[in-house]
Amino acid sequence: KAGVTQTPRYLIKTRGQQVTLSCSPISGHRSVSWYQQTPGQGLQFLFEYFSETQRNKGNFPGRFSGRQFSNSRSEMNVSTLELGDSALYLCASSPQGGGGGVDTQYFGPGTRLTVL
Amino acid sequence: DQQVKQNSPSLSVQEGRISILNCDYTNSMFDYFLWYKKYPAEGPTFLISISSIKDKNEDGRFTVFLNKSAKHLSLHIVPSQPGDSAVYFCAASFSGNTPLVFGKGTRLSVIA
Repeated sequence: KAGVTQTPRYLIKTRGQQVTLSCSPISGHRSVSWYQQTPGQGLQFLFEYFSETQRNKGNFPGRFSGRQFSNSRSEMNVSTLELGDSALYLCASSPQGGGGGVDTQYFGPGTRLTVL
Repeated sequence: DQQVKQNSPSLSVQEGRISILNCDYTNSMFDYFLWYKKYPAEGPTFLISISSIKDKNEDGRFTVFLNKSAKHLSLHIVPSQPGDSAVYFCAASFSGNTPLVFGKGTRLSVIA
């Protein structure tokens, strides 16, 4: 079974631009979560989508948004990019979602975003 | 306020010896814990998990121990191999539909 795929793998943008990242979950998985990884903060939860609905949201500003399509593929968008948005953005999928006591989240390779 | 802490940023162990990675948490409502391994330029790979109803879970060379009273868990790797060199993340969650809360990771170096 194919794993979680993310595109693009690398991206360079300038301040003020916007960016869209894509994630295709493992076949049959309905939940997709997004995390941001930075050296100082580690992995931080952005949001989770299940059946095209945002089910959970982390503590990030409204510039970070996402959506999920009927085939469970998900996109996240960051508008008005700031230098501090430079990070590795990781997508994880699981069959039902939640990551705790129900099922396990499996991660994609990530998209490395650099904001200049 | 960091709810999951990995206080050792790095650890070096000789090949064949035991590696012990530690993790502490502050929220007693967490009831499911996981360990992930991460190589550079790759996403985290799930290693092993443990539910709060257990105090030990074993999978091959990997064993996770949970001490609920101390809010502490540890990952033991025996014997350690050079391919185990990676960053290890501890994560915790509540039952039901909640996200994972991660520690900041411990970089393990296994020296041949």
